[in-house]
Amino acid sequence: ETGVTQTPRHLVMGMTNKKSLKCEQHLGHNAMYWYKQSAKKPLELMFVYSLEERVENNSVPSRFSPECPNSSHLFLHLHTLQPEDSALYLCASSQAYTIRETQYFGPGTRLLVL
Amino acid sequence: GIQVEQSPPDLILQEGANSTLRCNFSDSVNNLQWFHQNPWGQLINLFYIPSGTKQNGRLSATTVATERYSLLYISSSQTTDSGVYFCAGSDSGGGADGLTFGKGTHLIIQP
Repeated sequence: ETGVTQTPRHLVMGMTNKKSLKCEQHLGHNAMYWYKQSAKKPLELMFVYSLEERVENNSVPSRFSPECPNSSHLFLHLHTLQPEDSALYLCASSQAYTIRETQYFGPGTRLLVL
Repeated sequence: GIQVEQSPPDLILQEGANSTLRCNFSDSVNNLQWFHQNPWGQLINLFYIPSGTKQNGRLSATTVATERYSLLYISSSQTTDSGVYFCAGSDSGGGADGLTFGKGTHLIIQP
């Protein structure tokens, strides 16, 4: 079971397109995360938000732009992506940012950039 | 940051077999967790186990924090156990709860 939903589940876009990934958590958590999973590579943390403020940005290219309008929603805005950005993008949430809590993951958005 | 190594990278077993998956860390870790990614890509949290032993049904995990490793045991494997198993942790010096993941163990359970 999961209290974290992501839409869309699949996305195909051209390099000149602009699209957004959406994540919503129904767990009452205060921290949300974006991860990228490429083939044959470990999961990579992209962004961390705590109480709607960005607290970590792991050298992610500016063509990825996160937005956290409230503690339940997290967006990842995509523009002028490259084919190597094709991957599974996972959203996660946890109770808090400062407490070592379990992270709960959504089903992911499988992105293909042509 | 910490390095996370998982072994074996691939494992193929018959239904009913037992298995042990290992995770080694380069430094002390907090917030150690095990995840199962099913064939559809969904990541499910299995254990939050910074130290000690926990059991949940056919799965159990043990973390020896002083020796920087964790083990995941799967007993009486079923085909639904197939998928990739990740361990992840964050280092003790960091303020972030963002996890560093290993490359995973790809488990295939054959009927």
